[in-house]
Amino acid sequence: DAGVIQSPRHEVTEMGQEVTLRCKPISGHNSLFWYRQTMMRGLELLIYFNNNVPIDDSGMPEDRFSAKMPNASFSTLKIQPSEPRDSAVYFCASSSLPRGWHEQYFGPGTRLTVT
Amino acid sequence: GQNIDQPTEMTATEGAIVQINCTYQTSGFNGLFWYQQHAGEAPTFLSYNVLDGLEEKGRFSSFLSRSKGYSYLLLKELQMKDSASYLCAVQGGGADGLTFGKGTHLIIQP
Repeated sequence: DAGVIQSPRHEVTEMGQEVTLRCKPISGHNSLFWYRQTMMRGLELLIYFNNNVPIDDSGMPEDRFSAKMPNASFSTLKIQPSEPRDSAVYFCASSSLPRGWHEQYFGPGTRLTVT
Repeated sequence: GQNIDQPTEMTATEGAIVQINCTYQTSGFNGLFWYQQHAGEAPTFLSYNVLDGLEEKGRFSSFLSRSKGYSYLLLKELQMKDSASYLCAVQGGGADGLTFGKGTHLIIQP
Protein backbone atom coordinates (compact mmCIF):
# COMPACT_ATOMS: atom_id res chain seq x y z
CA ASP A 1 0.00 0.00 0.00
CA ALA A 2 1.20 3.49 -0.76
CA GLY A 3 1.82 5.62 2.27
CA VAL A 4 1.22 9.33 2.57
CA ILE A 5 2.52 11.04 -0.55
CA GLN A 6 3.94 14.56 -0.52
CA SER A 7 5.22 16.73 -3.32
CA PRO A 8 7.57 18.27 -4.02
CA ARG A 9 10.22 16.62 -1.83
CA HIS A 10 12.43 19.68 -2.05
CA GLU A 11 11.56 23.27 -2.87
CA VAL A 12 13.90 26.21 -3.14
CA THR A 13 12.32 29.59 -3.74
CA GLU A 14 13.01 33.26 -3.34
CA MET A 15 11.48 35.44 -0.69
CA GLY A 16 8.14 36.82 -1.78
CA GLN A 17 7.23 33.92 -4.03
CA GLU A 18 4.18 31.72 -3.55
CA VAL A 19 4.81 28.15 -2.44
CA THR A 20 2.30 25.29 -2.66
CA LEU A 21 2.90 22.00 -0.90
CA ARG A 22 0.78 18.98 -1.75
CA CYS A 23 -0.32 15.91 0.15
CA LYS A 24 -2.20 12.74 -0.69
CA PRO A 25 -3.27 10.87 2.47
CA ILE A 26 -3.54 7.12 2.80
CA SER A 27 -6.70 5.89 1.12
CA GLY A 28 -9.51 5.49 3.64
CA HIS A 29 -8.00 7.80 6.23
CA ASN A 30 -10.31 10.60 7.25
CA SER A 31 -7.99 12.83 9.27
CA LEU A 32 -5.14 14.83 7.79
CA PHE A 33 -2.52 16.86 9.64
CA TRP A 34 0.07 19.41 8.51
CA TYR A 35 3.21 19.78 10.66
CA ARG A 36 6.34 21.91 10.38
CA GLN A 37 9.73 20.88 11.75
CA THR A 38 12.70 23.14 12.49
CA MET A 39 15.74 22.72 14.69
CA MET A 40 14.68 25.61 16.88
CA ARG A 41 11.03 24.76 17.41
CA GLY A 42 10.87 21.03 16.74
CA LEU A 43 7.75 19.50 15.21
CA GLU A 44 4.71 21.78 15.36
CA LEU A 45 1.12 21.13 14.34
CA LEU A 46 -0.13 23.73 11.88
CA ILE A 47 -3.64 22.56 11.02
CA TYR A 48 -5.68 19.42 10.80
CA PHE A 49 -8.76 18.29 8.89
CA ASN A 50 -11.38 15.71 9.71
CA ASN A 51 -13.54 14.51 6.81
CA ASN A 52 -12.11 17.35 4.69
CA VAL A 53 -13.22 20.01 7.19
CA PRO A 54 -10.59 22.14 8.98
CA ILE A 55 -10.97 21.47 12.71
CA ASP A 56 -8.09 23.34 14.32
CA ASP A 57 -5.92 25.91 12.55
CA SER A 58 -4.58 27.57 15.69
CA GLY A 59 -1.06 26.50 14.78
CA MET A 60 -1.03 28.34 11.46
CA PRO A 61 1.61 31.02 12.06
CA GLU A 62 0.08 33.91 10.13
CA ASP A 63 -2.27 34.90 7.36
CA ARG A 64 0.42 34.11 4.82
CA PHE A 65 -0.33 30.43 5.43
CA SER A 66 -3.47 28.75 4.15
CA ALA A 67 -4.52 25.12 3.77
CA LYS A 68 -7.28 23.42 1.84
CA MET A 69 -8.65 19.94 1.49
CA PRO A 70 -11.02 19.92 -1.50
CA ASN A 71 -11.57 16.15 -1.31
CA ALA A 72 -10.61 13.11 0.74
CA SER A 73 -7.51 12.37 -1.31
CA PHE A 74 -5.81 15.73 -1.62
CA SER A 75 -4.68 18.66 0.51
CA THR A 76 -2.53 21.72 -0.10
CA LEU A 77 -0.59 24.05 2.16
CA LYS A 78 0.13 27.43 0.59
CA ILE A 79 2.51 30.15 1.71
CA GLN A 80 2.09 33.54 0.08
CA PRO A 81 4.35 35.47 0.22
CA SER A 82 7.12 33.22 1.49
CA GLU A 83 9.84 34.46 3.85
CA PRO A 84 13.24 33.02 4.83
CA ARG A 85 11.92 32.12 8.31
CA ASP A 86 9.46 29.73 6.63
CA SER A 87 12.38 27.46 5.74
CA ALA A 88 11.62 24.09 7.36
CA VAL A 89 10.54 20.55 6.64
CA TYR A 90 6.78 20.34 6.22
CA PHE A 91 5.17 17.00 7.01
CA CYS A 92 1.71 15.79 6.17
CA ALA A 93 0.24 12.95 8.23
CA SER A 94 -3.00 11.02 8.07
CA SER A 95 -4.93 8.72 10.37
CA SER A 96 -8.14 6.75 10.47
CA LEU A 97 -11.00 7.24 12.91
CA PRO A 98 -12.19 5.53 14.97
CA ARG A 99 -9.80 2.58 14.81
CA GLY A 100 -6.84 4.39 16.28
CA TRP A 101 -6.33 7.84 15.08
CA HIS A 102 -3.41 8.25 17.40
CA GLU A 103 -1.39 6.26 14.91
CA GLN A 104 -0.61 9.10 12.59
CA TYR A 105 1.25 8.04 9.46
CA PHE A 106 3.68 10.66 8.23
CA GLY A 107 4.65 11.41 4.68
CA PRO A 108 8.32 11.86 3.69
CA GLY A 109 8.11 15.63 4.06
CA THR A 110 8.85 18.62 1.86
CA ARG A 111 12.10 20.43 2.61
CA LEU A 112 11.45 24.12 1.90
CA THR A 113 14.25 26.63 1.57
CA VAL A 114 13.37 30.29 1.12
CA THR A 115 16.30 32.50 0.15
CA GLY B 1 -0.63 25.76 27.13
CA GLN B 2 1.45 22.72 26.39
CA ASN B 3 5.01 22.07 27.55
CA ILE B 4 6.94 18.88 26.91
CA ASP B 5 10.49 18.30 28.12
CA GLN B 6 12.92 15.57 27.18
CA PRO B 7 16.72 15.39 27.13
CA THR B 8 18.36 16.75 24.03
CA GLU B 9 20.86 13.93 23.56
CA MET B 10 21.77 10.58 25.07
CA THR B 11 24.51 8.04 24.35
CA ALA B 12 24.30 4.30 24.95
CA THR B 13 26.19 1.15 24.05
CA GLU B 14 25.10 -1.53 21.60
CA GLY B 15 23.38 -4.38 23.43
CA ALA B 16 22.60 -2.27 26.49
CA ILE B 17 19.38 -0.71 27.80
CA VAL B 18 18.48 2.98 27.68
CA GLN B 19 15.60 4.93 29.20
CA ILE B 20 14.45 8.21 27.65
CA ASN B 21 12.36 10.36 29.97
CA CYS B 22 9.62 12.82 29.10
CA THR B 23 7.74 15.21 31.35
CA TYR B 24 4.73 17.19 30.27
CA GLN B 25 2.35 19.90 31.40
CA THR B 26 -0.72 20.13 29.20
CA SER B 27 -4.23 21.48 29.32
CA GLY B 28 -6.13 18.21 29.16
CA PHE B 29 -4.76 14.80 28.31
CA ASN B 30 -5.94 12.19 25.86
CA GLY B 31 -2.79 10.16 25.43
CA LEU B 32 1.00 10.15 25.18
CA PHE B 33 2.89 8.94 22.14
CA TRP B 34 6.44 8.05 21.24
CA TYR B 35 7.73 8.42 17.70
CA GLN B 36 11.08 7.47 16.20
CA GLN B 37 12.69 9.67 13.58
CA HIS B 38 15.85 8.76 11.69
CA ALA B 39 17.83 11.64 10.25
CA GLY B 40 16.24 12.99 7.09
CA GLU B 41 13.19 10.76 7.42
CA ALA B 42 9.63 11.06 8.65
CA PRO B 43 8.59 10.19 12.22
CA THR B 44 7.23 6.68 12.68
CA PHE B 45 4.86 5.62 15.45
CA LEU B 46 6.32 3.53 18.28
CA SER B 47 3.88 3.49 21.18
CA TYR B 48 0.80 4.97 22.78
CA ASN B 49 -0.17 5.22 26.47
CA VAL B 50 -3.45 6.58 27.79
CA LEU B 51 -3.64 4.71 31.12
CA ASP B 52 -0.98 4.53 33.82
CA GLY B 53 1.45 1.68 33.52
CA LEU B 54 3.78 -0.06 31.17
CA GLU B 55 3.10 -0.98 27.56
CA GLU B 56 5.54 -3.48 26.06
CA LYS B 57 6.14 -4.05 22.40
CA GLY B 58 9.15 -6.19 21.59
CA ARG B 59 12.39 -4.45 22.52
CA PHE B 60 10.54 -1.21 23.23
CA SER B 61 8.40 -0.39 26.28
CA SER B 62 6.69 2.82 27.28
CA PHE B 63 5.54 3.87 30.73
CA LEU B 64 3.07 6.54 31.81
CA SER B 65 2.22 8.20 35.11
CA ARG B 66 -0.56 10.73 34.55
CA SER B 67 -0.46 12.07 38.12
CA LYS B 68 3.23 12.91 37.71
CA GLY B 69 3.02 14.08 34.10
CA TYR B 70 5.79 11.64 33.30
CA SER B 71 6.60 9.02 30.72
CA TYR B 72 9.61 7.06 29.64
CA LEU B 73 10.59 4.99 26.63
CA LEU B 74 12.74 1.96 27.40
CA LEU B 75 14.82 0.41 24.65
CA LYS B 76 16.43 -2.99 25.30
CA GLU B 77 19.13 -4.92 23.46
CA LEU B 78 20.17 -1.78 21.65
CA GLN B 79 21.16 -2.06 18.02
CA MET B 80 23.06 0.40 15.87
CA LYS B 81 19.91 1.02 13.85
CA ASP B 82 18.28 2.44 16.99
CA SER B 83 20.37 5.56 16.55
CA ALA B 84 17.68 8.16 15.89
CA SER B 85 15.66 10.92 17.50
CA TYR B 86 12.86 9.87 19.81
CA LEU B 87 9.93 12.25 20.03
CA CYS B 88 7.53 12.39 22.95
CA ALA B 89 4.11 13.79 22.01
CA VAL B 90 0.92 14.52 23.90
CA GLN B 91 -2.61 14.77 22.69
CA GLY B 92 -4.29 17.41 24.81
CA GLY B 93 -7.92 17.65 25.73
CA GLY B 94 -10.34 18.53 22.96
CA ALA B 95 -7.79 18.28 20.18
CA ASP B 96 -6.76 15.57 17.78
CA GLY B 97 -3.40 17.00 16.82
CA LEU B 98 -0.24 16.17 18.71
CA THR B 99 2.09 18.47 20.63
CA PHE B 100 5.64 17.20 20.27
CA GLY B 101 8.70 17.62 22.42
CA LYS B 102 11.88 18.63 20.64
CA GLY B 103 13.13 15.07 20.63
CA THR B 104 16.00 13.14 22.18
CA HIS B 105 18.87 12.34 19.84
CA LEU B 106 20.06 8.84 20.79
CA ILE B 107 23.57 7.83 19.78
CA ILE B 108 24.47 4.14 19.91
CA GLN B 109 28.14 3.30 20.23
CA PRO B 110 29.68 -0.09 19.41
